[in-house]
Amino acid sequence: AQSVAQPEDQVNVAEGNPLTVKCTYSVSGNPYLFWYVQYPNRGLQFLLKYITGDNLVKGSYGFEAEFNKSQTSFHLKKPSALVSDSALYFCAVSPRGGFQKLVFGTGTRLLVSP
Amino acid sequence: EAGVAQSPRYKIIEKRQSVAFWCNPISGHATLYWYQQILGQGPKLLIQFQNNGVVDDSQLPKDRFSAERLKGVDSTLKIQPAKLEDSAVYLCASSTTAGTGGGYGYTFGSGTRLTVV
Repeated sequence: AQSVAQPEDQVNVAEGNPLTVKCTYSVSGNPYLFWYVQYPNRGLQFLLKYITGDNLVKGSYGFEAEFNKSQTSFHLKKPSALVSDSALYFCAVSPRGGFQKLVFGTGTRLLVSP
Repeated sequence: EAGVAQSPRYKIIEKRQSVAFWCNPISGHATLYWYQQILGQGPKLLIQFQNNGVVDDSQLPKDRFSAERLKGVDSTLKIQPAKLEDSAVYLCASSTTAGTGGGYGYTFGSGTRLTVV
């Protein structure tokens, strides 16, 4: 069975500082990995996705994520946080092939202080 | 392109009442998903349609939840009768047949927030 763990309920960072939101996964084979962001009263918005190739994936709004197969991790990063990055972030995994479903982590709330 | 449309945005009902949610996916998207997001948890798949057919409904509480997708386009999710624990945001998403292998994977709607009192 697939699963995703986001060990931090909340991450606090000052504006301008780098941020990291952690994610580890468990799935057989080589998965697709995703990060989504959710603002209040909004649906989930796609940030980035790992399929194959370069372990560093660049996405929307300056975010990037590093895929580490040996540690089964897919941490979200941004070199310089903005107050507007404050939101709820979800990591998700999907198996390849077939009728894929996304399995989400429990989410990490990111608070960026001015 | 237009996004995934959902209605209503909010709904408050009493327990044991019934409720229905509507979803209009992105035009041409063959696959439609309903997810349930309980406060403090990640979204959980309830049911997945491929065109008119159900692909996965293993986590749908079939004694009270039902869903249909007529003509392979719009979909309706119904709860009857509702329980307090059904309070959640119900998210609809759609994708091409490539599913999560496609460019952006899924596109999510804004969701319907259900409160059962």
